[in-house]
Amino acid sequence: EVHLLESGGGLVQPGGSLRLSCTASGFTFTIYAMNWVRQAPGKGLEWVTGISGSGGVTLYADSVKGRFTISRDNSKNTLSLQMNSLRADDTAVYYCAKGSLSVYGGNTYWGQGTLVTVSS
Amino acid sequence: DIQMTQSPSSLSASVGDRVTITCQASPDISNHLNWYQHKPGKAPKLLIYDASNLGTGVPSRFSGSGSGTDFTFTITSLQPEDIGTYYCQQSDNLPFTFGPGTKVDLK
Repeated sequence: EVHLLESGGGLVQPGGSLRLSCTASGFTFTIYAMNWVRQAPGKGLEWVTGISGSGGVTLYADSVKGRFTISRDNSKNTLSLQMNSLRADDTAVYYCAKGSLSVYGGNTYWGQGTLVTVSS
Repeated sequence: DIQMTQSPSSLSASVGDRVTITCQASPDISNHLNWYQHKPGKAPKLLIYDASNLGTGVPSRFSGSGSGTDFTFTITSLQPEDIGTYYCQQSDNLPFTFGPGTKVDLK
């Protein structure tokens, strides 16, 4: 059974940093793309960033480019999101999602999400 | 960016009703369209991928069709557990934009 568990969310001041992690199990982690998708309070879903199975290809939404960095450790089945220069509009529940064999594809399984609140 | 629109934004239906949601993409996204169900406090769930393929373990009352710019999602017989918000998402080009969502509840 596929299981994705996010951690690392919390309250951070504007301009601060936070690192999210996602631990995956139940599938061959190294061959699947992974994504982070967020949902701001009262809003819809927004794709944030994605990474290929090997980690060689990374993709970002313009809203986070240059501030967020996605990475993965295939030896530990772990996906990470380093978030710097955080702004109030980054406040959201962040979901880790299992992608397809390509970075272009749907998200087949999702975690329960971790809440990030950016506020002074 | 590829723009995604959905209609209606919300609907109320009775158990057993047929429910249809439409999603429009601009420009053309071929069949690179996915549908998700999201319930409050839960993980979103993939229902349909590549416009018309049923996700793993998804009941057959859910279906999708369309290609290019116009897509349709259907629940043939609404069940109480189907209440939630439904999103389309294009995976054709960056950024992988979602539609604004359709909230489905029971009449």
